[in-house]
Amino acid sequence: NAGVTQTPKFQVLKTGQSMTLQCAQDMNHEYMSWYRQDPGMGLRLIHYSVGAGITDQGEVPNGYNVSRSTTEDFPLRLLSAAPSQTSVYFCASSYWARPELPGDEQFFGPGTRLTVL
Amino acid sequence: GDSVTQMEGPVTLSEEAFLTINCTYTATGYPSLFWYVQYPGEGLQLLLKATKADDKGSNKGFEATYRKETTSFHLEKGSVQVSDSAVYFCAPSPGGTSYGKLTFGQGTILTVHP
Repeated sequence: NAGVTQTPKFQVLKTGQSMTLQCAQDMNHEYMSWYRQDPGMGLRLIHYSVGAGITDQGEVPNGYNVSRSTTEDFPLRLLSAAPSQTSVYFCASSYWARPELPGDEQFFGPGTRLTVL
Repeated sequence: GDSVTQMEGPVTLSEEAFLTINCTYTATGYPSLFWYVQYPGEGLQLLLKATKADDKGSNKGFEATYRKETTSFHLEKGSVQVSDSAVYFCAPSPGGTSYGKLTFGQGTILTVHP
């Protein structure tokens, strides 16, 4: 298994440009999520999905869109990049049997380092 | 909402010293509890976990015990090594009304000197 893969590893954008960060997993996990990691801020949840066709907002969703058309893929779209979106982005997935139960271990991708000029 | 309070760093230790990183949380119900570790330039990976009260998770010499009464999950290691230098994150994983909205601690940077 490849686990969780993310592309690209590095990206530089100009303010106002758009792009899509790709995330895929081959573990048949229902739950997928996107985080951003900034110095001194830990990981903050951007969006998450509990299955194909179902997405919801996390702590910092503004400026980002997501969709989940398949179990495997969960792309993150920046429609109009801003310097405040300079960060390292991590995608994660996990198995989550039922909402009333606690979540299981999350598997993380290697990250995408994004710089917006 | 749910929250995690994690011992602030950075923490600098000499090799073979004892390590404690405190973590307390507020969460709906009884979450599973996790410690993740992030080595330089990498993503997070699971270090250890505990799924119910009084469970002790352990891995690579690290231990943490699920204390329901104090809502804590402190990380300990008796003798750290240079290779343990990394960032450590505490993360409860609740279900119920908090389903999907996971919260991580801010991370504790650990540096171990020879």
